[in-house]
Amino acid sequence: DAKTTQPNSMESNEEEPVHLPCNHSTISGTDYIHWYRQLPSQGPEYVIHGLTSNVNNRMASLAIAEDRKSSTLILHRATLRDAAVYYCILIASGNTGKLIFGQGTTLQVKP
Amino acid sequence: DAGVIQSPRHEVTEMGQEVTLRCKPISGHNSLFWYRQTMMRGLELLIYFNNNVPIDDSGMPEDRFSAKMPNASFSTLKIQPSEPRDSAVYFCASRPGQGATYEQYFGPGTRLTVT
Repeated sequence: DAKTTQPNSMESNEEEPVHLPCNHSTISGTDYIHWYRQLPSQGPEYVIHGLTSNVNNRMASLAIAEDRKSSTLILHRATLRDAAVYYCILIASGNTGKLIFGQGTTLQVKP
Repeated sequence: DAGVIQSPRHEVTEMGQEVTLRCKPISGHNSLFWYRQTMMRGLELLIYFNNNVPIDDSGMPEDRFSAKMPNASFSTLKIQPSEPRDSAVYFCASRPGQGATYEQYFGPGTRLTVT
């Protein structure tokens, strides 16, 4: 599976937008981009995924670069509850879908 | 929907004892995964099942670890004998289908401490 690179940590103010970057320069054409997050003392939870087009759901938006070598998870209005570790993971379409977690980005949200 | 259920939530045991962790996946999900999380190694996939059959156990650290899925609604992860380095949080996850477009649903985890 292709590798992803994320900043170790980011800070945000409450009620402001947050843009979490992910680089995946070796992505292949059939790799899906998935985002999960892990709140303190909880199991990971799915956030969003996409292939080529930008995606929106109730939790976040995913912006995918035209060359697909990078993507950005956008939280439109951060709340204190969004403080978590965010993981960007690539999954090949022919893969059985197992997740390989990196170190992720630890997001701190300040009131 | 109760989500993925894991038991026990916390387990403290002495080195050399057998430990059994349990997982009930979401009804209708046909894939099940066991992960381990430590500060040093982060989240690691141990094994996953599809339709109750183990597909990939390459992440199982050694023969002391074994996992079973006797039916679609129950799985166990057993460590025998346990060692202090097995101390970690163990997560179970399930998924409604196979492939890259399906999301995984994680349980709350079992925090294992081996003294």
